[in-house]
Amino acid sequence: DAGVIQSPRHEVTEMGQEVTLRCKPISGHNSLFWYRQTMMRGLELLIYFNNNVPIDDSGMPEDRFSAKMPNASFSTLKIQPSEPRDSAVYFCASSLQGGRNQPQHFGDGTRLSIL
Amino acid sequence: AQTVTQSQPEMSVQEAETVTLSCTYDTSESDYYLFWYKQPPSRQMILVIRQEAYKQQNATENRFSVNFQKAAKSFSLKISDSQLGDAAMYFCAYESGGGADGLTFGKGTHLIIQP
Repeated sequence: DAGVIQSPRHEVTEMGQEVTLRCKPISGHNSLFWYRQTMMRGLELLIYFNNNVPIDDSGMPEDRFSAKMPNASFSTLKIQPSEPRDSAVYFCASSLQGGRNQPQHFGDGTRLSIL
Repeated sequence: AQTVTQSQPEMSVQEAETVTLSCTYDTSESDYYLFWYKQPPSRQMILVIRQEAYKQQNATENRFSVNFQKAAKSFSLKISDSQLGDAAMYFCAYESGGGADGLTFGKGTHLIIQP
């Protein structure tokens, strides 16, 4: 089975530009998570969805960040406008939740560099 | 809020030897999960091992085992017969058992394998 698929793998753009990161979860998984990894703050949960509904977005750093999950097989994380401090690796993960939680499976991440 | 602490920023071990990575956590919940994830230089997040808090038996996966001390809120990872491919960052993580929830990560331990 295909794992979690993220695109692009690398993104370099200038500050002020809109950035869209994409994620396709594992088929059949009903929960999707977005994380950010930086040297200073480590791995942080930004937002997660359950059955396509955002459950907790308290980790989203600012209004410049938004996330959507229009259907069970696709999610986006958008930054508009982007700033140099948004440079990080962004991970998407998915899992099957119901009864006992199942482990989260991670995509390969998107390395974002804002110049 | 839950916190996860990894007190060893870096550990070094000789190939074929055994090494133990430490992790402590703080929570008021009784139902939760604990994980160890491995992140090699390729930046993939790879699940190493998972422990359910209600299970007293320590989880084991081949050369990887944990020492789960619930009262002490300690969750250490033991790697036996260390191999060069074990070199990576290792992250301890916590997840609430109350339903779909995000992971809370420690800062990580960089494991070096000496040939």
